[in-house]
Amino acid sequence: GNSVTQMEGPVTLSEEAFLTINCTYTATGYPSLFWYVQYPGEGLQLLLKATKADDKGSNKGFEATYRKETTSFHLEKGSVQVSDSAVYFCALKETSGSRLTFGEGTQLTVNP
Amino acid sequence: DVKVTQSSRYLVKRTGEKVFLECVQDMDHENMFWYRQDPGLGLRLIYFSYDVKMKEKGDIPEGYSVSREKKERFSLILESASTNQTSMYLCASRWAGPLYEQYFGPGTRLTVT
Repeated sequence: GNSVTQMEGPVTLSEEAFLTINCTYTATGYPSLFWYVQYPGEGLQLLLKATKADDKGSNKGFEATYRKETTSFHLEKGSVQVSDSAVYFCALKETSGSRLTFGEGTQLTVNP
Repeated sequence: DVKVTQSSRYLVKRTGEKVFLECVQDMDHENMFWYRQDPGLGLRLIYFSYDVKMKEKGDIPEGYSVSREKKERFSLILESASTNQTSMYLCASRWAGPLYEQYFGPGTRLTVT
């Protein structure tokens, strides 16, 4: 079956540091890949997505590239802010389905 | 703006009680989902519904049932609440079709004592 594995957290960074959160997946076919973010006390919001190999999703300074050869979709940001403190979830969806499979989530804390 | 609302943000129930969690969306979405979120486990799918009166089991349906009598409303039912059902419950919805994203409600934190 499908699965998503995220790097173990939590992650604590200083403001303006570089962020990488690793995500690898196992799936049949050609899934779509997503990063969702959950701010404290809120539901999940879509941060970015990529629907085919070599696509790069980007939003709010975050980027992730769909790498089929390494089955990865790592999230990066060049300079994090305190307001980026949240839980980040990597997820995949099979092309023909509507279900999402989520990773464990990674708690990011950014200190001033 | 898409809006997905859940009936309660916080709920405390006793073991053995019947519990109803309600989710309403205002965008005429065909698909609706119920997840539970637990630390270190991410989100796990309990049930989902492709359309009105249609439902399908997710990965962890045991101890839960659902109801979708109207398109905008998807209810999660805990027939007899147990302490291991203490969790954050998240509802989501989306239009049918391969490219549409899921929109999430704010969540209900349920504590069963």
